Amino acid sequence: LAKTTQPISMDSYEGQEVNITCSHNNIATNDYITWYQQFPSQGPRFIIQGYKTKVTNEVASLFIPADRKSSTLSLPRVSLSDTAVYYCLVGDLRNQGGKLIFGQGTELSVKP
Amino acid sequence: DAGVIQSPRHEVTEMGQEVTLRCKPISGHDYLFWYRQTMMRGLELLIYFNNNVPIDDSGMPEDRFSAKMPNASFSTLKIQPSEPRDSAVYFCASSLDRSNTGELFFGEGSRLTVL
Repeated sequence: LAKTTQPISMDSYEGQEVNITCSHNNIATNDYITWYQQFPSQGPRFIIQGYKTKVTNEVASLFIPADRKSSTLSLPRVSLSDTAVYYCLVGDLRNQGGKLIFGQGTELSVKP
Repeated sequence: DAGVIQSPRHEVTEMGQEVTLRCKPISGHDYLFWYRQTMMRGLELLIYFNNNVPIDDSGMPEDRFSAKMPNASFSTLKIQPSEPRDSAVYFCASSLDRSNTGELFFGEGSRLTVL
């Protein structure tokens, strides 16, 4: 299973763009990169997933370079409600039998 | 769909007592996961099931922990006897094998305090 490394914490201000980078040097060919968001007292919630290049949805964008050894979650114009812990996971639920391991996550604090 | 439903939301018990946590996955999902979250260790995968069969329980900390999935709509995580170090938030999650993303859907968790 690919190990991931993320910054432990980040600070930002409302209206700014936030980029959280995750390193996964030993990512396997069939692995996907998935990001989850967790608010206090709630379970993690899926944000976005990608395999290569760029993926965008209504919440965030995910940038994956050609070597796939890292990925960057981009949150445009954050608000106070984006304060949460963000987890990067690498793996493939379908092919590796479902064992998905969460790392320590990045605690994002958005200030007014 | 109501999402993944866990009960109880909160439980306070004394050391040595048996604790049973319950989970109802999203209808039609064929993977079910039990995670434990603490400040010190983060989110730990305890065990997961596929089509009601336990696939990997290597994350279960000790023999005091056991999990069952008697049918597709119900799973339990039991701790007997409980110890203070078992205090944590326990999450259940489910997933659909045939989905494009393998997205995990989490319940709201069961906060366990063992005194």
